[in-house]
Amino acid sequence: NAGVMQNPRHLVRRRGQEARLRCSPMKGHSHVYWYRQLPEEGLKFMVYLQKENIIDESGMPKERFSAEFPKEGPSILRIQQVVRGDSAAYFCASSLNNEQFFGPGTRLTVL
Amino acid sequence: SQQGEEDPQALSIQEGENATMNCSYKTSINNLQWYRQNSGRGLVHLILIRSNEREKHSGRLRVTLDTSKKSSSLLITASRAADTASYFCATDAGTGNQFYFGTGTSLTVIP
Repeated sequence: NAGVMQNPRHLVRRRGQEARLRCSPMKGHSHVYWYRQLPEEGLKFMVYLQKENIIDESGMPKERFSAEFPKEGPSILRIQQVVRGDSAAYFCASSLNNEQFFGPGTRLTVL
Repeated sequence: SQQGEEDPQALSIQEGENATMNCSYKTSINNLQWYRQNSGRGLVHLILIRSNEREKHSGRLRVTLDTSKKSSSLLITASRAADTASYFCATDAGTGNQFYFGTGTSLTVIP
């Protein structure tokens, strides 16, 4: 049973470009969570999705950030017009009940 | 903030010694989880303890939970160099979905 997959593992973007981060949950998991980890900090919750639904996006910045979890395919975290402050590790987790399993993360660097 | 707060921020011990990390939180919870993160890597789930449990063991790990004090501790016995990592506690703040992470305890085990 493959774990949570994230790609790319590393992403470099210039300011103003778009970043798309993908997360494939564990087989059978229908809940996906996105977290952001800034350098030297803990993880901050961003958004919680189920298939085709955003359940809780209270941690998402109001602008430039969006997330989706379509019926088919991976969950996507999209950051438009990236700025240097978006540089961080973005982790996805999936769960069946309360236990969350994390992916390896995508490290976004904005030049 | 509802985040868990780990204490100490950094801990350095000799191989074979025990390591104890503490976590305090602010709101009522359904469960509390401990995670490990090796440098530059994703998170690994270590143990989940429910609010009606007081103690849980898994191998060399022992977790306690005191809901009256809103605190938890993680004990790693007979530490090994491979235990060197950051350790995070995460609470669900009663939501059952999103988790709140602390800034972590950085553990260094000296061979």
